[in-house]
Amino acid sequence: DTGVSQNPRHKITKRGQNVTFRCDPISEHNRLYWYRQTLGQGPEFLTYFQNEAQLEKSRLLSDRFSAERPKGSFSTLEIQRTEQGDSAMYLCASSLELFWEETQYFGPGTRLLVL
Amino acid sequence: DAKTTQPPSMDCAEGRAANLPCNHSTISGNEYVYWYRQIHSQGPQYIIHGLKNNETNEMASLIITEDRKSSTLILPHATLRDTAVYYCIVRVLMDSSYKLIFGSGTRLLVRP
Repeated sequence: DTGVSQNPRHKITKRGQNVTFRCDPISEHNRLYWYRQTLGQGPEFLTYFQNEAQLEKSRLLSDRFSAERPKGSFSTLEIQRTEQGDSAMYLCASSLELFWEETQYFGPGTRLLVL
Repeated sequence: DAKTTQPPSMDCAEGRAANLPCNHSTISGNEYVYWYRQIHSQGPQYIIHGLKNNETNEMASLIITEDRKSSTLILPHATLRDTAVYYCIVRVLMDSSYKLIFGSGTRLLVRP
């Protein structure tokens, strides 16, 4: 399977703990996006990388959140001092920049539950 | 905010065509319409996209009106596995990226 993969698929943590999620994009895709989805809502944009550069961050991404994409390949999303409000599905998507016909392909997501 | 409006829910019989409407009256000339679906607890799955012309692929057909203010996603022979939330998205260039602004989508139930 050459799709987007995310690990772990599920994470349960206690409030105040740090968690880190990993996303492996489709190979050769130079753009990578993180979204967050809470129950009953559509996904919301968090941040975007072009190669290794983080070019945009949503106001939803508080200073407890940090994302990296070293070497422009996989990406990690870390949440420090988790809060119950961080409980959500965290989705990663990748795309190949091809003029204006860019299509984002999503991974299966990481479901986070903060107790 | 999402630039699209969709009915919150629809249903159709298995084997029949499912026609999912979407209004995007404020779409600009160079903005694409994308459709994704999300089956329970999975990541969104890309279905199809278009700009002006009708499009068809192995999953679905996309019909865009001439004035581009609305579109319809057609699943020609719906199966039970097509039960999902379907999102119609106008992809806009905001700041530096083509982020997808999801609305609430249409929950499609395919009945046996």
